[in-house]
Amino acid sequence: DTEVTQTPKHLVMGMTNKKSLKCEQHMGHRAMYWYKQKAKKPPELMFVYSYEKLSINESVPSRFSPECPNSSLLNLHLHALQPEDSALYLCASSRLAAYNEQFFGPGTRLTVL
Amino acid sequence: SQQGEEDPQALSIQEGENATMNCRYKTSINNLQWYRQNSGRGLVHLILIRSNEREKHSGRLRVTLDTSKKSSSLLITASRAADTASYFCATGNNNDMRFGAGTRLTVKP
Repeated sequence: DTEVTQTPKHLVMGMTNKKSLKCEQHMGHRAMYWYKQKAKKPPELMFVYSYEKLSINESVPSRFSPECPNSSLLNLHLHALQPEDSALYLCASSRLAAYNEQFFGPGTRLTVL
Repeated sequence: SQQGEEDPQALSIQEGENATMNCRYKTSINNLQWYRQNSGRGLVHLILIRSNEREKHSGRLRVTLDTSKKSSSLLITASRAADTASYFCATGNNNDMRFGAGTRLTVKP
């Protein structure tokens, strides 16, 4: 299984809502990533988990809260988001190695009203 | 933050022609990767070239790397309409990967 799955595919939420994005992989990868991508822009790294521990946090606002409950799952908890947080949120995974191809999920299209 | 710059920003060619995209990066790297993204979807890994390699081939793809100029190029030969997508170079060390701005390729049938 070489697939990274993400749910939901689309999410519309108000600024006072709490929601979560979910990512799952069964390739035995021990590194997992969250990226944010605005239209016509490259993906921007948000968080990196290595062996279920947060290793990189790119100064992301606290309204985004990542969680890695086990080696196959990665969540991104959302609370009190702003309209400018509307974007495509991509999850990826890779082996923990210097030469690391990342496998991406299809993304969650988030709209904040 | 973005690591690389790519040019051109957009490229439109006819089916059968070759497409060349360039990437410039700023810091030393372990490897450079190229990814493709179809509109609004996840990225697909195309090819990885290590810092001690100068050229690599995969099917219709040819990638070069010049570490002295901090630049790389991706050549797609005999392009097809299905190659229409955005192409990103990505550089990084260990698991910290940064993407270039991307080239939007349109291949007309």
